[in-house]
Amino acid sequence: KQEVTQIPAALSVPEGENLVLNCSFTDSAIYNLQWFRQDPGKGLTSLLLIQSSQREQTSGRLNASLDKSSGRSTLYIAASQPGDSATYLCAVWGNNDMRFGAGTRLTVKP
Amino acid sequence: DAGVIQSPRHEVTEMGQEVTLRCKPISGHDYLFWYRQTMMRGLELLIYFNNNVPIDDSGMPEDRFSAKMPNASFSTLKIQPSEPRDSAVYFCASSLRPRAYEQYFGPGTRLTVT
Repeated sequence: KQEVTQIPAALSVPEGENLVLNCSFTDSAIYNLQWFRQDPGKGLTSLLLIQSSQREQTSGRLNASLDKSSGRSTLYIAASQPGDSATYLCAVWGNNDMRFGAGTRLTVKP
Repeated sequence: DAGVIQSPRHEVTEMGQEVTLRCKPISGHDYLFWYRQTMMRGLELLIYFNNNVPIDDSGMPEDRFSAKMPNASFSTLKIQPSEPRDSAVYFCASSLRPRAYEQYFGPGTRLTVT
């Protein structure tokens, strides 16, 4: 059974810092990995989708990498801003289901 | 497109009552997913449909839960009878082929069963 872990559970950084969020999964037989952002009391917003054949995807200040063989993905956020404060979740689409990590709660302080 | 639409946004009901949650997927998306989010268990996939047909319902917790998709633009998740432990946020999401495309989530329905 696929298990997805996100470390750290919470992170607080000053504005302007670059930061990395981590996601690991136990079964490397995945089709893709998706990073989401969730604001309090809101739904999930898709940030990046990486196919299993890809190594990374970039969107603006966000860069996500995938190492399927080691079961790891990272989300890199450059020049963090207070508006980046949210919970970030990773999810893997494997054998006909989607498994989510518990998320990393990010706070960017002005 | 308006995105995935869910109703109601909030539902408060008493234990034993029937609850029906509704979802309208993004037009053209042929996959629809129902998720539940709780503090204890995080986000869990309950069931998903492809072209209105249920593909995998192994995440549905009990027989009290049922889901239908009578057409490409509408799905329901029903809980009968409801119990306090069903209190959670229920999300609907849709996508094109999930192996290749992103899933787009609705705003969720916050269900409270007293």
